[in-house]
Amino acid sequence: NAGVMQNPRHLVRRRGQEARLRCSPMKGHSHVYWYRQLPEEGLKFMVYLQKENIIDESGMPKERFSAEFPKEGPSILRIQQVVRGDSAAYFCASSPGRNEQYFGPGTRLTVT
Amino acid sequence: EDQVTQSPEALRLQEGESSSLNCSYTVSGLRGLFWYRQDPGKGPEFLFTLYSAGEEKEKERLKATLTKKESFLHITAPKPEDSATYLCAVHITGNQFYFGTGTSLTVIP
Repeated sequence: NAGVMQNPRHLVRRRGQEARLRCSPMKGHSHVYWYRQLPEEGLKFMVYLQKENIIDESGMPKERFSAEFPKEGPSILRIQQVVRGDSAAYFCASSPGRNEQYFGPGTRLTVT
Repeated sequence: EDQVTQSPEALRLQEGESSSLNCSYTVSGLRGLFWYRQDPGKGPEFLFTLYSAGEEKEKERLKATLTKKESFLHITAPKPEDSATYLCAVHITGNQFYFGTGTSLTVIP
């Protein structure tokens, strides 16, 4: 049973470009969470999705950030017009319900 | 205001020296408390879920306990391979999970 998959593992973008981060949940999991982790800080909740629905995006900046979890395919976190402050590790987690979450290996975004 | 506070921030133990990590929370409506292990450059690995005060869970050298205000992760006779950052998270009413900043554990052979 494959775990949560994220790609790319490392992503370098120049300021102003777009970043697309992908997350494939574990088989049978229909709940996906995205988190951001900065050095010396804890994981910060961004958004919670179920298939084709955004359930809670209260942790996501209103501008430049969006997320989706289509009926087919991976969940995508999109960051438009990236700035240096967006540099961080972004983790996706999947869950069979609203309980324990299983994390992917993360995408490390560097904005130059 | 922090919802979840972990202490200590860092802990160095000799191999075989048992100790405990603390996770205190200031939330109401706790629906679950979770412990994770995170190795450098990797995603958190799920360890335990605790739902109510008095509950305990064990896995190998680790034992997690929960009270109304805090949780402890007890490590018995640790080995170098137990070195990692240990994170706790709380799930309160709603959809969000709040993570602490973790305790970085180093076990010296």
